[in-house]
Amino acid sequence: DTEVTQTPKHLVMGMTNKKSLKCEQHMGHRAMYWYKQKAKKPPELMFVYSYEKLSINESVPSRFSPECPNSSLLNLHLHALQPEDSALYLCASSRSGSGRARGSYNEQFFGPGTRLTVL
Amino acid sequence: RKEVEQDPGPFNVPEGATVAFNCTYSNSASQSFFWYRQDCRKEPKLLMSVYSSGNEDGRFTAQLNRASQYISLLIRDSKLSDSATYLCVVNIRHSGYSTLTFGKGTMLLVSP
Repeated sequence: DTEVTQTPKHLVMGMTNKKSLKCEQHMGHRAMYWYKQKAKKPPELMFVYSYEKLSINESVPSRFSPECPNSSLLNLHLHALQPEDSALYLCASSRSGSGRARGSYNEQFFGPGTRLTVL
Repeated sequence: RKEVEQDPGPFNVPEGATVAFNCTYSNSASQSFFWYRQDCRKEPKLLMSVYSSGNEDGRFTAQLNRASQYISLLIRDSKLSDSATYLCVVNIRHSGYSTLTFGKGTMLLVSP
């Protein structure tokens, strides 16, 4: 069972809608990630947060807006998406330093994902 | 050249068979290595880390050759439940986070 949770599991939205994806972990991890995965492709990194600060933005279009309200939560705000943005959106987390967080410094644990369809 | 290369398969094997997957990576700065398993329409799940000395977890054995930049996974006594896509993943650690590079995955189909 995953210790990274994501809501909603499925989302259908129109191109003019605004929606948000949510991710939560309680493993004490201080690094959190958003990935996008299309069918039959590996996950592609979108954003990395480390200690609640954005560390990497992989040239993601501005219609995707990440937010890290605290060390356990990660959001992805969606606005004016295109049909080609339909994909599985995965959240992951990893430990960042010393402490009692689960896993080695390098292991990333994935949530179950949100399957997004843009009409 | 792709950063992490794997044979996409599918590998079709009968139950009880032994099957091996191979993977090569191009970035010599890669620091740690993993095999993830992904079932259809599910998230990737960490199967095992891969260490230079080789490591085993039950029916699964992973090997790493840093000089050749080559990683392998051996599955013995295949079960139907082993059917999945196996992702070879390399990692570079940064200050406070890590970046994973995924291979495209190798599909395994185990039949009765």
